[in-house]
Amino acid sequence: AQTVTQSQPEMSVQEAETVTLSCTYDTSESDYYLFWYKQPPSRQMILVIRQEAYKQQNATENRFSVNFQKAAKSFSLKISDSQLGDAAMYFCAYRRSNFGNEKLTFGTGTRLTIIP
Amino acid sequence: DGGITQSPKYLFRKEGQNVTLSCEQNLNHDAMYWYRQDPGQGLRLIYYSQIVNDFQKGDIAEGYSVSREKKESFPLTVTSAQKNPTAFYLCASSIVAGSSYEQYFGPGTRLTVT
Repeated sequence: AQTVTQSQPEMSVQEAETVTLSCTYDTSESDYYLFWYKQPPSRQMILVIRQEAYKQQNATENRFSVNFQKAAKSFSLKISDSQLGDAAMYFCAYRRSNFGNEKLTFGTGTRLTIIP
Repeated sequence: DGGITQSPKYLFRKEGQNVTLSCEQNLNHDAMYWYRQDPGQGLRLIYYSQIVNDFQKGDIAEGYSVSREKKESFPLTVTSAQKNPTAFYLCASSIVAGSSYEQYFGPGTRLTVT
């Protein structure tokens, strides 16, 4: 069974600084998707960034980027120029394949605090 | 605006009562999902449905039931058989075929059973 591990329950960063959130996963599949979701205090889940396993290039969305290490099964999220609005729970998620409607498997989350 | 609506935002029930959580989407998505969120445990899949009149159990289906009579609607019933029903429940939807397979989430329903 696939598992997703987020080993940092809480992280904090000074406003305007950079922070990296860690995620590792376990799978025997070669084709899969990885996601980072943000859950602010409103509790609405918002997709931050996605990575296709077959792509070697790391995904980037504005201030958010990932470091995808397929062999190490690692998928970290880097937030640059941290802003107060980045404060939230961040969940790493794995999805097995590109066909059908495979479920998302989530990690337990990292609570990110932004220090003004 | 396209999106997913869940109602109500907060729901209170007494132990032993069944309760139904609403989820409606106007994104024309084929697939819909129900997740449960507890503190420190992330999200866990309860049920999912790929097409109308078809649904599959997720990881924690015991004590829950669903129906999918319309593409837009996927209500979740929390039965009295669910031992620990107090939790935050999230509904999501996605397209069947495509490049991203992103799941879009509703705002959630907080259920408290006393």
